[in-house]
Amino acid sequence: ETGVTQTPRHLVMGMTNKKSLKCEQHLGHNAMYWYKQSAKKPLELMFVYNFKEQTENNSVPSRFSPECPNSSHLFLHLHTLQPEDSALYLCASSQAGIHYGYTFGSGTRLTVV
Amino acid sequence: AQTVTQSQPEMSVQEAETVTLSCTYDTSESDYYLFWYKQPPSRQMILVIRQEAYKQQNATENRFSVNFQKAAKSFSLKISDSQLGDAAMYFCAYNPSGTYKYIFGTGTRLKVLA
Repeated sequence: ETGVTQTPRHLVMGMTNKKSLKCEQHLGHNAMYWYKQSAKKPLELMFVYNFKEQTENNSVPSRFSPECPNSSHLFLHLHTLQPEDSALYLCASSQAGIHYGYTFGSGTRLTVV
Repeated sequence: AQTVTQSQPEMSVQEAETVTLSCTYDTSESDYYLFWYKQPPSRQMILVIRQEAYKQQNATENRFSVNFQKAAKSFSLKISDSQLGDAAMYFCAYNPSGTYKYIFGTGTRLKVLA
């Protein structure tokens, strides 16, 4: 499968649960990103991985824990979330150093109850 | 701080007509890239058009074109011959050269009326 694939598409979790979001790309890109999209707010950059190394953590609370085992896969581990963490979480990839834009996945719609 | 402003939360256009979505940005950089992304109900953000700040010529992609005014820090998107499939959220994004970070605006919801 080509492009950027995110699973699951929807996720409902309680505040005490632990869950993980998965992102996979087969575009040969070496940079991957997590963004948070909330209604009426700009997309918020959460984490950047370049060649599997985390290069940016945009002051994200520790209840969000990213993992990048290789250049094709990116995870976002979630634990003890708050209702205000409910949002669309978007994964994106790009070729590092080349400004041709991101390729995005379809996102995971997260609801924290 | 670098910011991107989309002042139109929502716009409507008749099918086959032309619409312009506005975007302004604030930066002290001289080298950067600008993008317009489309997000349909399927949620996947799709790149519509890209502009390099050092190029004076406005980018075009089929029915989509931009009006890039570097001195005014303005980057508007014109959609010609609007189609029902153009209905979506449109996001303007700014990317400083040499960085991975993209700064997005809050988006403009475009409705296309049949």
